[in-house]
Amino acid sequence: QVQLQESGPGLVKPSETLSLTCTVSGDSISNYYWTWIRQPPGKGLECIGYIYYSGFTNYNPSLKSRVTISVDTSKNQLSLKLSSVTAADTAVYYCARSNRGWFDTWGQGTLVTVSS
Amino acid sequence: QSVLTQPPSVSGAPGQRLTISCTGSSSNIGAGYDVNWYQQLPGTAPKLLIYANSIRPSGVPDRFSGSKSGTSASLAITGLQAEDEADYFCQSYDSSLSGYVFGSGTKVTVL
Repeated sequence: QVQLQESGPGLVKPSETLSLTCTVSGDSISNYYWTWIRQPPGKGLECIGYIYYSGFTNYNPSLKSRVTISVDTSKNQLSLKLSSVTAADTAVYYCARSNRGWFDTWGQGTLVTVSS
Repeated sequence: QSVLTQPPSVSGAPGQRLTISCTGSSSNIGAGYDVNWYQQLPGTAPKLLIYANSIRPSGVPDRFSGSKSGTSASLAITGLQAEDEADYFCQSYDSSLSGYVFGSGTKVTVL
């Protein structure tokens, strides 16, 4: 059974770069697309972007200038970097497996707070 | 502002039938892209509830059903139970944004 686990700092200072890692276990990262999704406290879900193991990426236009998603097939991990963060980037960040347009497996999520 | 519009909240008594609407446009649902539904229990990650408009993943009770017509989709819950109290989100693909989009979310309250 595939499992996803997000990890990274829970607190990031304004203007700095948010960096998260998602470790995939129970399946090869080469078999699917993988997506980062975030949810500000008390609000809805927003797709940040997704990646295929080949390195093909697609980013949300509203975040595209600040986002980088990468994959490390040797570690079965994907990573998220979001630069120049502000308080508006405070959210629970999820990684999820994309299966032909739907997200069938999610990590538990990690709360990232942007504050000085 | 979400691309897909859902009612903020719906409520019903145990045993009742509820429906949640998800309204899109010609660049997402109306363009023929699948609609998927997720259930998010308090403090947990979303869980896939319905995919490809009307298919239930293994383990999802048949009390949950999905449908799609035109630029809208619906999630129905029959025989409402206390454990169904959660937030529900629809999701699709939008060709003008070239990416996946979610609905604004609906909070279901069991009276």
